[in-house]
Amino acid sequence: QSALTQPRSVSGSPGQSVTISCTGTSSDVGGYNYVSWYQQHPGKAPKLMISDVSKRPSGVPDRFSGSKSGNTASLSISGLQAEDEADYYCCSYAGSYTWVFGGGTKLTVL
Amino acid sequence: EVQLVESGGGLVQPGGSLRLSCAASGFTFSSYWMHWVRQAPGKGLLWVSRIDSDGSSTSYADSVKGRFIISRDNAKKTLYLQMNSLRAEDTAVYYCARDSYYQPDRWGQGTLVTVSS
Repeated sequence: QSALTQPRSVSGSPGQSVTISCTGTSSDVGGYNYVSWYQQHPGKAPKLMISDVSKRPSGVPDRFSGSKSGNTASLSISGLQAEDEADYYCCSYAGSYTWVFGGGTKLTVL
Repeated sequence: EVQLVESGGGLVQPGGSLRLSCAASGFTFSSYWMHWVRQAPGKGLLWVSRIDSDGSSTSYADSVKGRFIISRDNAKKTLYLQMNSLRAEDTAVYYCARDSYYQPDRWGQGTLVTVSS
């Protein structure tokens, strides 16, 4: 049950695009399409932004998109806005009814 | 509207016990798996435990296995986490979350557990 690997921080200017990676193994990210991404503002609960690798729940802007290649999943945010500044976490099903999260990435909008 | 409200957190001494509750509303609680996820101060999210819809199947992270017990009362629409033999490293905000096809989708606001003498 080792945490998925995410960059500690990423940054971008308003209007730009950023991508956050999430690297696991063939036992989690690479083995299942149950990869999700969460946005967490300080002091708040996590909010689901992407499920099933690339599906956006209702209400999530289409500026947010997800993908996966092998053991690495990615969250891309285009047209950065100030309110996108937050921590982002990936999560993957890891088999045997266990789950694993990434260490989190702090997104700074410059 | 889906709502999950955690309660039961507080200050407990090392070796002590605490039971967290999560009251659900706005959805058919008995049809969903549920999770507990925790977040230590300034740290990332850590999956703790999952229970299936009727409570017959449970799973735990290695770090809490044998010490924590997840359960549910579908009649009361409430999820529980019994935490025993608590350690300083269990200090965290504990969130309950609804599962949707193997992924937590809706989360409560969390309850803080502090383990300290």
